[in-house]
Amino acid sequence: EPEVTQTPSHQVTQMGQEVILRCVPISNHLYFYWYRQILGQKVEFLVSFYNNEISEKSEIFDDQFSVERPDGSNFTLKIRSTKLEDSAMYFCASSDLGKTNEKLFFGSGTQLSVL
Amino acid sequence: QKEVEQDPGPLSVPEGAIVSLNCTYSNSAFQYFMWYRQYSRKGPELLMYTYSSGNKEDGRFTAQVDKSSKYISLFIRDSQPSDSATYLCAMTDRYGSARQLTFGSGTQLTVLP
Repeated sequence: EPEVTQTPSHQVTQMGQEVILRCVPISNHLYFYWYRQILGQKVEFLVSFYNNEISEKSEIFDDQFSVERPDGSNFTLKIRSTKLEDSAMYFCASSDLGKTNEKLFFGSGTQLSVL
Repeated sequence: QKEVEQDPGPLSVPEGAIVSLNCTYSNSAFQYFMWYRQYSRKGPELLMYTYSSGNKEDGRFTAQVDKSSKYISLFIRDSQPSDSATYLCAMTDRYGSARQLTFGSGTQLTVLP
């Protein structure tokens, strides 16, 4: 069964450093998303991406964040200067084009720890 | 008022029990309703997807939506220890070219053998 894959599974970084989280969405999907889950809290929407541009973004997704689809298979989330409060599990998701594009398929996540 | 409210549990039941998980919501624009299962330190896994009011059954799982009451439920029949996980409700409206899900806080379920 096709799945969304994310790398790395764990990332430890120092405050102020840049990190790039990587995702390979399901191959025929055209919508891509990043969500995050701070320990013990709700899964929160960050950004959606379609046709090589951001479709929607939340208040969390400030200027420190950026997304990119550098090639035909990868989708990345960059945090420019990490803060302690960026520590969370980051989930990539994808969905197809059409009537069921509400069905999001999630990867297993990247646990980001900012020290 | 929070957009989506879900009883966090934890909920512990014996194997074979019927489990009822519930969410309420305040945004009447929500049209699409989903239940995700999340195992510890893993991503949410789509279990059920429904549009508008009514029931939908898939094996041991039944999703129920009552839009007039802004209430959704997931029933698990003949629960198994492998059903032990956190169950998240999620929903979104019909507008926009990409879907932004709003999640509940999740209900932690343990099914005891």
